Amino acid sequence: DIQMTQSPSSLSASVGDRVTITCRASQGIRNHLGWFQQKPGKAPKRLISAASSLQSGVPSRFSGSGSGTEFALTISSLQPEDFATYYCLQHNSYPLTFGGGTKVEIK
Amino acid sequence: EVQLVESGGGLVQPGGSLRLSCAASGFTFSNYGMAWVRQAPGKGLEWVSTTSASGGNTYYPDSVKGRFVISRDNSENTLYLQMNSLRAEDTAVYYCAKYEFDSSPLEIWGHGTMVTVSS
Repeated sequence: DIQMTQSPSSLSASVGDRVTITCRASQGIRNHLGWFQQKPGKAPKRLISAASSLQSGVPSRFSGSGSGTEFALTISSLQPEDFATYYCLQHNSYPLTFGGGTKVEIK
Repeated sequence: EVQLVESGGGLVQPGGSLRLSCAASGFTFSNYGMAWVRQAPGKGLEWVSTTSASGGNTYYPDSVKGRFVISRDNSENTLYLQMNSLRAEDTAVYYCAKYEFDSSPLEIWGHGTMVTVSS
């Protein structure tokens, strides 16, 4: 199985900050990676597919990068509605595996 | 508008069974792969199962293989998850999710249904 190591597990940031979350795959997954946002009590929402393709309707302050084993989600200027937990997902092979999550909190 | 509505969750004793349903609307259900993902209380996301558009191919992690069965009724636009031999560690919110295309999973999610396994 492919392990996804996500870091940090949590971070505190201020509105306007630039935030980067990383995911490392235990083996190469090409660009078969998605990023998801989850707010408390709500279903996850896909932000990015294919490592860097922004979903329709997702603000352009979100961006994804990487290929192979190293990936990043960047929020260029953190907004109040971005405080949430973020997960990466590899779908290069079954079983699909998620990263452990990153909780983004208000500083 | 694409909508996925899960139902069938509840309280079940260890060793019991439960069948979850996911009613789909707003898209041509028979054209898309579908999946179940769960989240134990206070924990992260765990993929549970995937079925191809036709239902001919199904996939499971080892944690549920042999106990859970994913199926679909394309005439009724409904996805199912039959869960047998339930354990306390199966307690979670269960979400159904639609694939965008074969290599692009979990594009759209339902709101989830809670399953509690306890005596």
